[in-house]
Amino acid sequence: AQSVTQLGSHVSVSEGALVLLRCNYSSSVPPYLFWYVQYPNQGLQLLLKYTSAATLVKGINGFEAEFKKSETSFHLTKPSAHMSDAAEYFCAVTINNNDMRFGAGTRLTVKP
Amino acid sequence: DAMVIQNPRYQVTQFGKPVTLSCSQTLNHNVMYWYQQKSSQAPKLLFHYYDKDFNNEADTPDNFQSRRPNTSFCFLDIRSPGLGDAAMYLCATKGGFSSYNEQFFGPGTRLTVL
Repeated sequence: AQSVTQLGSHVSVSEGALVLLRCNYSSSVPPYLFWYVQYPNQGLQLLLKYTSAATLVKGINGFEAEFKKSETSFHLTKPSAHMSDAAEYFCAVTINNNDMRFGAGTRLTVKP
Repeated sequence: DAMVIQNPRYQVTQFGKPVTLSCSQTLNHNVMYWYQQKSSQAPKLLFHYYDKDFNNEADTPDNFQSRRPNTSFCFLDIRSPGLGDAAMYLCATKGGFSSYNEQFFGPGTRLTVL
């Protein structure tokens, strides 16, 4: 069954530093993978998604993620963190045509 | 702008008093979902509708019910809220029957049970 695992429930970076949020997937078929961001008391907003068209996916707010089949990974990166990036980030995988399963989430803190 | 709307944003109810949460969408999407999200946890799927077809998750308590009277609206009814039902409830939609289509989320309703 498809699933995702996010490594690190909390990540803290300094403003301007590289952001790296880790996600590994488990899937018996080519997966469709997503990264969502959630700000306090808000719903989830799509950052980017992998649909097999390209392994390097660029999303909103300067984020990108690279699909690596050999490592079963889909890590989210941003070259330079901004204070406004502080939020909860969820990696997700589609498990059938309609359902999606989320990782446990990673809370990103950005220090001034 | 096309969107997913949830009302109210904050709901307070008493232990055992039925409560209904509302979701509407202007995206004309076939699929509508209800998730429960507790503090510092991932969203947990309660059920979804594909058009009028209702799909309940196996571990969703009977206390939770849903109605979808038309394409645009979907309701979550909690018949007898317990303290453990206090959470953020998220509505989401998806267009079409494709695995690569993302879900669009509303802003959520935060439920407090006194």
